[in-house]
Amino acid sequence: QITLTESGPTLVKPTQTLTLTCNFSGFSLSTSGVGVGWIRQPPGKALEWLALLFWDDDKRYSPSLKTRLTIAKDTSKNQVVLTITNLDPVDTGTYYCAQGGLSGVFQYWGQGILVTVSS
Amino acid sequence: DIQLTQSPSTLSASVGDRVTITCRASQNINIWLAWYQQKPGKAPKLLIYKASSLESGVPSRFSGSGSGTEFTLTISSLQPDDFATYYCQQYSDDWTFGQGTKVEIK
Repeated sequence: QITLTESGPTLVKPTQTLTLTCNFSGFSLSTSGVGVGWIRQPPGKALEWLALLFWDDDKRYSPSLKTRLTIAKDTSKNQVVLTITNLDPVDTGTYYCAQGGLSGVFQYWGQGILVTVSS
Repeated sequence: DIQLTQSPSTLSASVGDRVTITCRASQNINIWLAWYQQKPGKAPKLLIYKASSLESGVPSRFSGSGSGTEFTLTISSLQPDDFATYYCQQYSDDWTFGQGTKVEIK
C-alpha cells in the first residue's frame, strides 16, 4: 500500500522560507523510474505543478518558480523535502506531494497541507 | 511552456446525462495527457492516462480520447458521485495542469 504524507508549518510570514516534508511508504525512491513531485493549489483555484525529483536525483522545476524552489531526497528516510524561498501571500494554498516519475502521471497523492502566508 | 485550456469552466448537468469536457494544448503533446477528478477538500484522483487508458478501478463510464492538441473526457452517464472538478494534465514537456472544469448539479 502506497501512502504519502505532507508535513511542515501551516502559517509562515512573507519573505520567509518554507520547508515541506513528504514522508512516503510502499515504494522506494531508489527504484528506477520512480519520482516524487510537489503540486500546489491556491484556495478555489487550479492545480499547479512545482517540482519533481527522480530516483536518479534528476530534478525538474516549474520554470516560473525555479529560482525559489529546491527539492531534495533522503532515500534512507523515505523523505522528499521541498524548500520555497521568499514567500508571498500568493503562495498561500494546499501543497500536495505525489508519486510520479517516468510514467508522467501522479498516481498516488498525499492528503495535502494548507499553508497560509500572512504577517 | 505548454499551456492547457479546458472548456467549459463550469458545466451544469443532471444524473444520467452524457458529459464531455475538452482540453486543448498549446502545442503537440502526442498522447501524453491525463485526467483527474477532485472533490472538495480532497486530493485529485487519477482517472485516465495516455489520453485514453483507464486507470485501474475507475468506472467504465469514464473515457478519454484525442491526440496532438485536442482531447476530451467523456462521462457516458453521469452519476451522483461524479459531481466534482476535473483537471487535465500534460506530461509531454515537464508537467502542466488545465484550469479545471466544475461539473455541478443542474
